[in-house]
This record gives sequence, structure tokens and C-alpha cells, in this order.
Amino acid sequence: SQKIEQNSEALNIQEGKTATLTCNYTNYSPAYLQWYRQDPGRGPVFLLLIRENEKEKRKERLKVTFDTTLKQSLFHITASQPADSATYLCALATGGGNKLTFGTGTQLKVEL
Amino acid sequence: DARVTQTPRHKVTEMGQEVTMRCQPILGHNTVFWYRQTMMQGLELLAYFRNRAPLDDSGMPKDRFSAEMPDATLATLKIQPSEPRDSAVYFCASGIAGGDTQYFGPGTRLTVL
Repeated sequence: SQKIEQNSEALNIQEGKTATLTCNYTNYSPAYLQWYRQDPGRGPVFLLLIRENEKEKRKERLKVTFDTTLKQSLFHITASQPADSATYLCALATGGGNKLTFGTGTQLKVEL
Repeated sequence: DARVTQTPRHKVTEMGQEVTMRCQPILGHNTVFWYRQTMMQGLELLAYFRNRAPLDDSGMPKDRFSAEMPDATLATLKIQPSEPRDSAVYFCASGIAGGDTQYFGPGTRLTVL
């Protein structure tokens, strides 16, 4: 069966450290993968996209890697801040027409 | 600052009642998505449209749910009759065909008693 798995347990880290979130998938061959941020009571907000032929993508303090052999993406936030506290969702392109399938998300809490 | 808008933001209703949720996509976006989010299932795609035509509604319970786009500026999601298991947050998102990013609205929190 098809699955997208993210750490269901919350990730607590100290301010200034690097947060690393994992997205594993099975039985998909996505053309690209995206990461979204969701704050309580709000809709998800797009952060980064990485394509199947790309290994790594960066944007400011964010870095995403994509290993199609391992079927895994890692999402890193360097020099984390309390304002980075949110739920982070990975999403796979799973069909034509921009169709996405989302993981269940990982809640990140950055503590002072 | 272009945004997707959704109304109502909150809806409490009784089982058996009809519920209509509305979405205004970002002007110029021709792809519209409806999602449902629950703690147990996460964010699930219900249906999506391109140029107002339904492309995929396989995620939607057909017997009680219906989605339409009466015009390019309005998408609707109806539940009739509603059931307690429909309680969730319903999100609308829009995008551009050929583009990759989806822009989400603030959601409608539905509670069916």
C-alpha cells in the first residue's frame, strides 16, 4: 500500500540548533516533493519544492534533501528560532494536474 | 496581497442538515482543490478542478458530498445530509495549471452534532 510517513511525535529542540524532520514514502514515484508549514488555526503555507532529479535545495535557513533510492526527504532548519515552531508537512506529487498527497506532519517546538 | 478566502470560518450544525462551504480562489488561478483535515487522517484531498471542470473527486464520499465551481471566482463544497464524522477542517487551495505550488485558504472548521 502507499504510505507517506512523518514522525508522529513532536520534535522539541533548543533555539539555535538544527532541526531535522523526516519524510519517508513507499510505493510512490513522485516527480517532486514539497514541504509546507502549518500554524494552528491556519492553512498550510508552501516552503520549498525539490524535484526527483535534484539532491538538495536551499532557501535561507531551510534545506531539503531528496533521496529517491531511499524514498526519503529530510527537511532541515538551521539556527532554529522559537518562531519556527509549527507543524511541517511533506507532500508528494502523486498524479497529474498538480495533485499532492500529504503526510500527517511533524510538530516542531523550538525552546528558548 | 492575494489570498484564498473561505466562508464561513466556523460552522456548527446538527446531524442531517445541509452544509455549504465557499471558496474564492486567487484571481488568475485556474486550479482549485478541496481538502479535509482531521487529527486521525491528516490532510486528505477530496476533489479538484481545472478551469472549473472537475478533474478528480475520487476522495469524496459521493452519496453526500458535492463540489462545484459556478464560476471562476467561486468554488463550493456541499454536504447533505451532514453526519458527525464529517466534523473536520475543510481547506480550499488554488494554483496555476503547470505550476507546482498550492495556496491554501484559512479553512472552515465544521462541527456536526
